[in-house]
Amino acid sequence: RMTQSPTSLSASTGDRITITCRASQDIDTYVAWYQQKAGKAPNLLIFSSSSLQSGVPSRFSGSGSGTDFSLTINSLQSDDFATYYCLQYYSRPNTFGRGTKLEIK
Amino acid sequence: QVQLEQSGAEVKKPGASVRVACKASGYTLTHYDLNWVRQSPGQGLEWMGWMHPLSGSTEYAQKFQERVIMTRNISINTAYLELSSLTSDDSAIYYCARTTYFYFDVWGTGTAVTVSS
Repeated sequence: RMTQSPTSLSASTGDRITITCRASQDIDTYVAWYQQKAGKAPNLLIFSSSSLQSGVPSRFSGSGSGTDFSLTINSLQSDDFATYYCLQYYSRPNTFGRGTKLEIK
Repeated sequence: QVQLEQSGAEVKKPGASVRVACKASGYTLTHYDLNWVRQSPGQGLEWMGWMHPLSGSTEYAQKFQERVIMTRNISINTAYLELSSLTSDDSAIYYCARTTYFYFDVWGTGTAVTVSS
């Protein structure tokens, strides 16, 4: 189980935001983060808790190990307003967080 | 370019079955595991199961155990999800997703399934 917070977040371009996920057991660093825009499939941002997927801007970063994880976006751009999900892939059944909708303030 | 192209939208009646296709291009299907994930309207992401395309081995989420089958046709680089005994709760977008080192790196285009009488 992955408990993601907050459920929604209002921010302005240029802001720095952090989204967190807490696992119900130790999952080492087997966490990925995805961005999803309306009508589109999720897009991989981060894997292994902190590794940036090729082609993803460096303003995105991830951290954490064990049970607590976070996704940080520095200097928000207009293109970043979307919904974000964490995924644990330590074991099956793989589980997603419930998502964080990032909205423009 | 690595892509997963899925079959088109489906409308089904309650109690029917649906089969969704996921065609891989830019890579060989048997070289990576595949997962299926669904997303109900306005809801989050739900893992349905995993397949090892080379061997055909599968593992399903307990929730779908009784009515899901994941298969593949290696000759056409395509995987399939079949879900039976559909109810309105199964109305969702269904995604296939390639697995690299256990995380999902490439997602399919999505297939909308609507269950309505």
